[in-house]
Amino acid sequence: GENVEQHPSTLSVQEGDSAVIKCTYSDSASNYFPWYKQELGKRPQLIIDIRSNVGEKKDQRIAVTLNKTAKHFSLHITETQPEDSAVYFCAASNAGNMLTFGGGTRLMVKP
Amino acid sequence: KAGVTQTPRYLIKTRGQQVTLSCSPISGHRSVSWYQQTPGQGLQFLFEYFSETQRNKGNFPGRFSGRQFSNSRSEMNVSTLELGDSALYLCASSPITGGGSPLHFGNGTRLTVT
Repeated sequence: GENVEQHPSTLSVQEGDSAVIKCTYSDSASNYFPWYKQELGKRPQLIIDIRSNVGEKKDQRIAVTLNKTAKHFSLHITETQPEDSAVYFCAASNAGNMLTFGGGTRLMVKP
Repeated sequence: KAGVTQTPRYLIKTRGQQVTLSCSPISGHRSVSWYQQTPGQGLQFLFEYFSETQRNKGNFPGRFSGRQFSNSRSEMNVSTLELGDSALYLCASSPITGGGSPLHFGNGTRLTVT
């Protein structure tokens, strides 16, 4: 089955700096890669996603890149703000709505 | 539109008991997926239902089961509860199945097994 690894597990940045979270996946058939943000005590919320026929996607301060050959994808957050502090999960899917999640990255943005 | 609604929010059960969790998807969404979230194992897929049929199943024992009704509402059942079943159970809905469709999560049911 699919295996998704996510790094780093914790990330601390200064407000205004950029943050990068990386994920690798094992199943070359995976074709959908969403990123979720989960604030403490709240539900995971989709922040951006990318499909395998696209190499990069941007939405304001957030961008995701996908390298199918190397089987890795990354989340980039620019101009970080304290409200970006949360746990971020990457995921991969190749079958229905069955997502395999990475272990999560706790992002702390220091004011 | 109302979001995904899960009931109850909190449950405390004893080992050996069984429990039923409920999920009402976003109106018009026909796919309902269930995930287990624990500090040690992270987010793990349990199963997905679409049009009352189970489409995919994760690597969980048969004690975990689910079903979907004609109105797309879904329930999951855990029988013979074990301490390790303590977790946040998240339900997610989507308009379609087949991959590539964003999942919308509910707030979850936090199950504690004592």
